[in-house]
Amino acid sequence: SQTIHQWPATLVQPVGSPLSLECTVEGTSNPNLYWYRQAAGRGLQLLFYSVGIGQISSEVPQNLSASRPQDRQFILSSKKLLLSDSGFYLCAWRRGPTRTGHGYTFGSGTRLTVV
Amino acid sequence: AQKITQTQPGMFVQEKEAVTLDCTYDTSDQSYGLFWYKQPSSGEMIFLIYQGSYDEQNATEGRYSLNFQKARKSANLVISASQLGDSAMYFCAMRASNAGGTSYGKLTFGQGTILTVHP
Repeated sequence: SQTIHQWPATLVQPVGSPLSLECTVEGTSNPNLYWYRQAAGRGLQLLFYSVGIGQISSEVPQNLSASRPQDRQFILSSKKLLLSDSGFYLCAWRRGPTRTGHGYTFGSGTRLTVV
Repeated sequence: AQKITQTQPGMFVQEKEAVTLDCTYDTSDQSYGLFWYKQPSSGEMIFLIYQGSYDEQNATEGRYSLNFQKARKSANLVISASQLGDSAMYFCAMRASNAGGTSYGKLTFGQGTILTVHP
């Protein structure tokens, strides 16, 4: 079956510390992968997406970076966290071109608090 | 650029009644997809319903239906027979396309509507 794993579920980090959030997908190959961030009580903002290994596209300039070292692994990183990096981070994948809406699956999310 | 607007920050409905959550969108693309997701307090994103821009009939999925008015660029979600478990944040989203017509599957989300169902 096709599943997505995202960890950790919650994280409290001090300002200036590094960050690494990992997302892995099982049961599929060459998925499109996405990182979204959700500020408290707000909508989801697309941060990065990847259509293949080593291919990363950034949607907004920020303090974060992303990498895709393997086909089904997507990593969100920061060298030095800012208070404004706090939020709920969601990883998602898409099975590929499809007209239906059932092609997207979201991870369970990581709630990051920068203190 | 694509934009999704949800003008209702919060909505209240009585249990067993129907409720409509508004969504308007802006895009210059001829082909696009519209989605509704439910996000309970746990944070997970639950897919509810999808409408393709070329679909002639409004989408339905159980108690959920999408009132698609293409000329008005609106895609309202209708929940019939509300249940207490429907209390959550609801997001409208659109699959975006770039200038070359390739979307890469990127979704643009609205700000969301918090639905509260009263017993």
